[in-house]
Amino acid sequence: NAGVTQTPKFRVLKTGQSMTLLCAQDMNHEYMYWYRQDPGMGLRLIHYSVGEGTTAKGEVPDGYNVSRLKKQNFLLGLESAAPSQTSVYFCASTLGRGWNGELFFGEGSRLTVL
Amino acid sequence: GQQVMQIPQYQHVQEGEDFTTYCNSSTTLSNIQWYKQRPGGHPVFLIQLVKSGEVKKQKRLTFQFGEAKKNSSLHITATQTTDVGTYFCAETSNTGNQFYFGTGTSLTVIP
Repeated sequence: NAGVTQTPKFRVLKTGQSMTLLCAQDMNHEYMYWYRQDPGMGLRLIHYSVGEGTTAKGEVPDGYNVSRLKKQNFLLGLESAAPSQTSVYFCASTLGRGWNGELFFGEGSRLTVL
Repeated sequence: GQQVMQIPQYQHVQEGEDFTTYCNSSTTLSNIQWYKQRPGGHPVFLIQLVKSGEVKKQKRLTFQFGEAKKNSSLHITATQTTDVGTYFCAETSNTGNQFYFGTGTSLTVIP
């Protein structure tokens, strides 16, 4: 039982390149989330999903796209990376509605855009 | 969007001293959660508070939810070096679908 797994853990991109971060969870959770963490700004919600085939925008969705084709996977894409997207990205999942359960986080993916 | 404000941003304490971090909201919260993130690590859930005036304890950690459900605090008694990290509060949206985090309090414990 691995919990929440993120790949890759580190990546360096050049401005304008594209990439996809993969999040996989083996806990049969319905809800999945992508956050970015920047110094002094806490965790900001990028996109989230409340079930297979559904996605929704969070606080800072611009420049990112997501897909949830399978319940266990939540993909975060950067179509044209910018230096402002240099950050640590965390995926998280939870069983259901917020007041019923905790968020389980992956170990994070550190992205640098040059 | 994010409605919880967390203070202080940083706190340095001598080992053995107490520590408190506060979360404040301008609106009534349905619940509040607390997480701890060790340096270089990922956030880990500590606790969830739901009821007005609720107080929960975990060993040296005491969590409180305000009577008006607009504020919460985390108090650590007699800090240890193992308490080092950043502590976040998080609120859920009215729909229960979204989790919004405070900016966090970074705790440094000086041996």
